[in-house]
Amino acid sequence: GESVGLHLPTLSVQEGDNSIINCAYSNSASDYFIWYKQESGKGPQFIIDIRSNMDKRQGQRVTVLLNKTVKHLSLQIAATQPGDSAVYFCAETPYSGGGADGLTFGKGTHLIIQP
Amino acid sequence: NAGVTQTPKFQVLKTGQSMTLQCAQDMNHNSMYWYRQDPGMGLRLIYYSASEGTTDKGEVPNGYNVSRLNKREFSLRLESAAPSQTSVYFCASSAGVVLEGELFFGEGSRLTVL
Repeated sequence: GESVGLHLPTLSVQEGDNSIINCAYSNSASDYFIWYKQESGKGPQFIIDIRSNMDKRQGQRVTVLLNKTVKHLSLQIAATQPGDSAVYFCAETPYSGGGADGLTFGKGTHLIIQP
Repeated sequence: NAGVTQTPKFQVLKTGQSMTLQCAQDMNHNSMYWYRQDPGMGLRLIYYSASEGTTDKGEVPNGYNVSRLNKREFSLRLESAAPSQTSVYFCASSAGVVLEGELFFGEGSRLTVL
């Protein structure tokens, strides 16, 4: 899976299936995690965030899971649609209450939806 | 409501030329940021302005300068462009100094230095 440090280029899924995008982080002090979606030619868009005192958070069709024991973060997208095609990347910061200057971004996973 | 607006969207420069990337946000945000995005690498912070009147270096500030012109506008200047500065540049803003929730990005400025 993706790491804030490694790159998993592509994930291909069938339309309608669930997608799971993974992210590993190395800093055990990381406190706040964010998933972004970046469509081709556009800027990143916030999807969902989670703090280290939680292990799961749900949004509309998306769920973020955090496993602090193994320093792993995942983004689950339910019933994947063509509009979900994009690069997804995670970001983390160890600074509880800090600004975006503390964010470290992963390199991204390109999600491709097969018809 | 335009959000974060960057200009220009595309620019080609020759080595040694200078240029300024402009960024404006209409969300009354306090904090603004400039990032660069290169293939195979995550977004890297160049400079940021936690609040009006302050600017600070990020991870990769060399070769760049910034100006927080007012609360809305944050510009990035390349004084003497180098091929290593070929990249896609993103401006972003957040409501507060403390990151809570969304960091809003512009659509990017693609810069090529020949």
